[in-house]
Amino acid sequence: NAGVMQNPRHLVRRRGQEARLRCSPMKGHSHVYWYRQLPEEGLKFMVYLQKENIIDESGMPKERFSAEFPKEGPSILRIQQVVRGDSAAYFCASSDGSGPLEAFFGQGTRLTVV
Amino acid sequence: EDQVTQSPEALRLQEGESSSLNCSYTVSGLRGLFWYRQDPGKGPEFLFTLYSAGEEKEKERLKATLTKKESFLHITAPKPEDSATYLCAVQAADNTGKLIFGQGTTLQVKP
Repeated sequence: NAGVMQNPRHLVRRRGQEARLRCSPMKGHSHVYWYRQLPEEGLKFMVYLQKENIIDESGMPKERFSAEFPKEGPSILRIQQVVRGDSAAYFCASSDGSGPLEAFFGQGTRLTVV
Repeated sequence: EDQVTQSPEALRLQEGESSSLNCSYTVSGLRGLFWYRQDPGKGPEFLFTLYSAGEEKEKERLKATLTKKESFLHITAPKPEDSATYLCAVQAADNTGKLIFGQGTTLQVKP
């Protein structure tokens, strides 16, 4: 039973480049959540998606960040024109959405902006 | 505003020395309280979900309890492999499914 798969595990980008983070949910899960963990900080919610829909993006920065979960393929978190402050671990979680949430997390993508 | 506070920030125990981690929460209607374990460089690993005051759940040396204002994670006779950061999170009844996390308690168990 494959868990939540994230890739790449590590990503280095120069300032101004684009970063694309991918997340494949657990089999049977149609709900995806993205969280960001800044150094020495807790996990912060960014966005909640279902297939082809953004349900809650209240935690997403207003500029440069976008997320999608297409009908086919993984969920993508896209960061345009990265800055040093975007360096963090980005985690994806998935759930089947039934009842109180029990989300399972991937191993994360560690983004370093140089 | 929904909020989760964990204490202590860090805890050092000798192997076999039992203790408890605290998670205090303020939420507009609790839908669920969650405990996760996170090892360095890894994603959070799900441990427990608690839904209502008075509920308790156990797994090996860990036991989680819940009141109307806080949750405790009791660790009985810990071993060095229990060393990790323990995260508490809540889901509010009126939100879409996002979790609000505390800062975590980093536990170190020395042999």
